[in-house]
Amino acid sequence: GQQVMQIPQYQHVQEGEDFTTYCNSSTTLSNIQWYKQRPGGHPVFLIQLVKSGEVKKQKRLTFQFGEAKKNSSLHITATQTTDVGTYFCADPTNTDKLIFGTGTRLQVFP
Amino acid sequence: EADIYQTPRYLVIGTGKKITLECSQTMGHDKMYWYQQDPGMELHLIHYSYGVNSTEKGDLSSESTVSRIRTEHFPLTLESARPSHTSQYLCASRPTGGAGFGYTFGSGTRLTVV
Repeated sequence: GQQVMQIPQYQHVQEGEDFTTYCNSSTTLSNIQWYKQRPGGHPVFLIQLVKSGEVKKQKRLTFQFGEAKKNSSLHITATQTTDVGTYFCADPTNTDKLIFGTGTRLQVFP
Repeated sequence: EADIYQTPRYLVIGTGKKITLECSQTMGHDKMYWYQQDPGMELHLIHYSYGVNSTEKGDLSSESTVSRIRTEHFPLTLESARPSHTSQYLCASRPTGGAGFGYTFGSGTRLTVV
């Protein structure tokens, strides 16, 4: 079946360092969404990418959709302790079921 | 803040009990979803609904059932709770149509079956 894998599974960084998580799908995606889940919290929608090769920025966060629409990445510049959490990519699918990736847990040390 | 509410927030219950987890949203969204998430792990879709009287099973096999009698309400029921049902259950909703709309999640119910 369809799989959405993320690497790395965990990442520990020093505050101020950059961070990147990669999302890979076994099938071609129509869109890709990204969510952030703080420890003990619920997923919060960050952004949706639609076009092949699309790049979007939100302050220190840069989201990219691969040319073949089978992968995506989230890059955080100069991490802060407020960035701590698990970042999930998710495939909305053609039937509007949101399939989540495996997630990358980010820990930021001050 | 999200207008989707889940109750109870925490629940500890004995094996064999019947329980209903409540989920309500005030946004008029047609589409609603239930996810199961073990601590630190990915979310698995267990049920979803496209609107009133519509319910579908998700990708993860679940012994729970759902109903959708009203647009705003999407309860999940476990007829006989077992320790293997211990997990967090997250409810979400989304409006029909509109590119770029993300899913709005409730705060979740943390269920422990002893």
